[in-house]
Amino acid sequence: KNEVEQSPQNLTAQEGEFITINCSYSVGISALHWLQQHPGGGIVSLFMLSSGKKKHGRLIATINIQEKHSSLHITASHPRDSAVYICAVRLSGTYKYIFGTGTRLKVLA
Amino acid sequence: GAVVSQHPSWVICKSGTSVKIECRSLDFQATTMFWYRQFPKQSLMLMATSNEGSKATYEQGVEKDKFLINHASLTLSTLTVTSAHPEDSSFYICSAGLVRNTDTQYFGPGTRLTVL
Repeated sequence: KNEVEQSPQNLTAQEGEFITINCSYSVGISALHWLQQHPGGGIVSLFMLSSGKKKHGRLIATINIQEKHSSLHITASHPRDSAVYICAVRLSGTYKYIFGTGTRLKVLA
Repeated sequence: GAVVSQHPSWVICKSGTSVKIECRSLDFQATTMFWYRQFPKQSLMLMATSNEGSKATYEQGVEKDKFLINHASLTLSTLTVTSAHPEDSSFYICSAGLVRNTDTQYFGPGTRLTVL
């Protein structure tokens, strides 16, 4: 079993839908990142979380340290949100990150 | 917010040549930079940790003589793929950590390397 698991692996939504992507991890962490990777590969860091909740525009990220779980929510989804969303955790006491395999999101107009 | 750039964003080279990829922190100083590699439809995998002024630390299975890393300053790390082979074709990504806050990492946009 991977130390960082994301679900779903693939997601297709209609424009305007509320989307949730989940990330569960089995290791001790000091931080968790949500990354967005567009076709062609470029990566954008969306959030870095160590506790609680963060919001940026239509994106909301939450983390529950006790349950070792984080969610990324997209409200009022749009075709331009189509991308791969990657969860990355930083191992406690180290600089090392472990990445999930990503969730491929496609938002249809 | 902090910005990390990579250059070039994509490169195509012939087998046997060497390719240098730069990773720069544009508005902050980074004591540590990390190099990752991503093969198609796979997760990013850490290749090495680059510390300013000292030798890089390579992950198991990564050839240090093939992937040369130089962290010459607090704002620049370079990855040189030497004697590139088609199997080195991949997406290479760097991230950088702030001097004062080691929990904060900023990711570069990545460099796509294609070796013919």
